[in-house]
Amino acid sequence: DQQVKQNSPSLSVQEGRISILNCDYTNSMFDYFLWYKKYPAEGPTFLISISSIKDKNEDGRFTVFLNKSAKHLSLHIVPSQPGDSAVYFCAATSNNAGNMLTFGGGTRLMVKP
Amino acid sequence: NAGVMQNPRHLVRRRGQEARLRCSPMKGHSHVYWYRQLPEEGLKFMVYLQKENIIDESGMPKERFSAEFPKEGPSILRIQQVVRGDSAAYFCASSRGGGLMNTEAFFGQGTRLTVV
Repeated sequence: DQQVKQNSPSLSVQEGRISILNCDYTNSMFDYFLWYKKYPAEGPTFLISISSIKDKNEDGRFTVFLNKSAKHLSLHIVPSQPGDSAVYFCAATSNNAGNMLTFGGGTRLMVKP
Repeated sequence: NAGVMQNPRHLVRRRGQEARLRCSPMKGHSHVYWYRQLPEEGLKFMVYLQKENIIDESGMPKERFSAEFPKEGPSILRIQQVVRGDSAAYFCASSRGGGLMNTEAFFGQGTRLTVV
């Protein structure tokens, strides 16, 4: 039972354009969401997070949008750069989960120069 | 480097042997989490520990797997009598505290276990 799903295993985008990575969840108890970036042979690196009391959080080129009614969140990267090429994981947790994260399966982003 | 340290980075074991994976959390962090990533899949939660306590082991297989985080020293994930299906990347993460305001857990580089 996958509680967090990333339905696109891969995404290819031209440098300078916008990258949009999507994530859906089923557990209505989730109230905090995070995006991690992962390069091969490295651990995930925290990118950006959003609390369920917000619908948008922005940090430089990265913006996360949360639609609670649709149980959907997305990560926007603009403008995309070749160095953004990596696997992006969406993760979710709840206030009583003690930082235990439930991860999606990841989306491999390729930004072409 | 004051990040989360995992060793070894790569570990090869024959079927039936024991695997020991170590994780030293970031300085000041008292919460440790172990995750497993099977090939072409996302990370799956295994166990959450604080010093000398297992808080949540709901993701850990009931047999052959155990974890500890002693008062002194690193956290250890132990897999006894390894099988080929245990081959995966095992990631450790640490955080300063639990709860919503401390959810930016920092991950180590992982240990890649290969069972031959």
